Amino acid sequence: DIQMTQSPSSQSASVGDRVTITCRASQTINRYLNWYQQAPGKAPRLLIKAASSLQSGVPSRFSGSGSGTDFTLTISSLQPEDFATYYCQQSYSTPHTFGQGTKLEIK
Amino acid sequence: QVQLQQSGPGLVKPSQTLSLTCAISGDSVSSNSAAWNWIRQSPSRGLEWLGKTYYGSNWHSDYAVSVKSRITIKADTSKNQFFLQLKSVTPEDTAVYYCAREDVDWSDLSHWGQGTLVTVSS
Repeated sequence: DIQMTQSPSSQSASVGDRVTITCRASQTINRYLNWYQQAPGKAPRLLIKAASSLQSGVPSRFSGSGSGTDFTLTISSLQPEDFATYYCQQSYSTPHTFGQGTKLEIK
Repeated sequence: QVQLQQSGPGLVKPSQTLSLTCAISGDSVSSNSAAWNWIRQSPSRGLEWLGKTYYGSNWHSDYAVSVKSRITIKADTSKNQFFLQLKSVTPEDTAVYYCAREDVDWSDLSHWGQGTLVTVSS
C-alpha cells in the first residue's frame, strides 16, 4: 500500500494567515492526489483533485500544487470557516489511502 | 445535483453482519463515469478505504485487503443504491461509515453520504 504522510499534524493560526500543509507519498503517484476538508461531525468535502484542480464551489483562497511524491495545500488567507481538519488522499492505486490529517486550530 | 443518503443500524452485535445502504439521487449507480465507495473513520485507524463497486460492461468490485474476506459491496440497480455488508464484526469495526461517489477520471471522492456511526457491542 502507498503510505501518505502529512505535516504538520496540527497547527495554530489566526484569521488572515497564510497556511501551507504538506503531504508526501511513499512512492510516486503522478498527480493523483486529492485534498479534503472535514468539519467536526461532518463528512469530508472535496477541495482539490488531481493535485491542483479546484473543485467547483470551493473558494479560490485554496490552492494545491505538486506531483510525484510531494504535494502542498495552501490557504492564502484563513477564514473562520476554514478551521477544520484537512486530509490528503492518493488515488493512483487501490487502496486509495489517506493521510493522517492536519487539524487547523484558532490561535 | 448528486446526493447520497445512508441508512442502516447504528448498533451491531459482535460476530454479526454490519449492513448499510446508500441511496443515490442525481446520478445512476450504473453510470460509466462513477464508482461507488465505502470508507470508514475511527480514532485508531483514521480514514480507511474499504472498497467500491462500479459498472463497466459488467459489474466489478474492489476491496481493501484488510477486510477482503468479510466484505461485500454490491449495487441494486432497481433501487439505484448500493450497499455494504461486513461479516463477523468485532469491536474494532466500530467507526463512522461513509458512502461516497468516485469520479473515474481522477478517482476523487466528489460526493459523500452523511455518515453512520456503527457501534459493535453486545
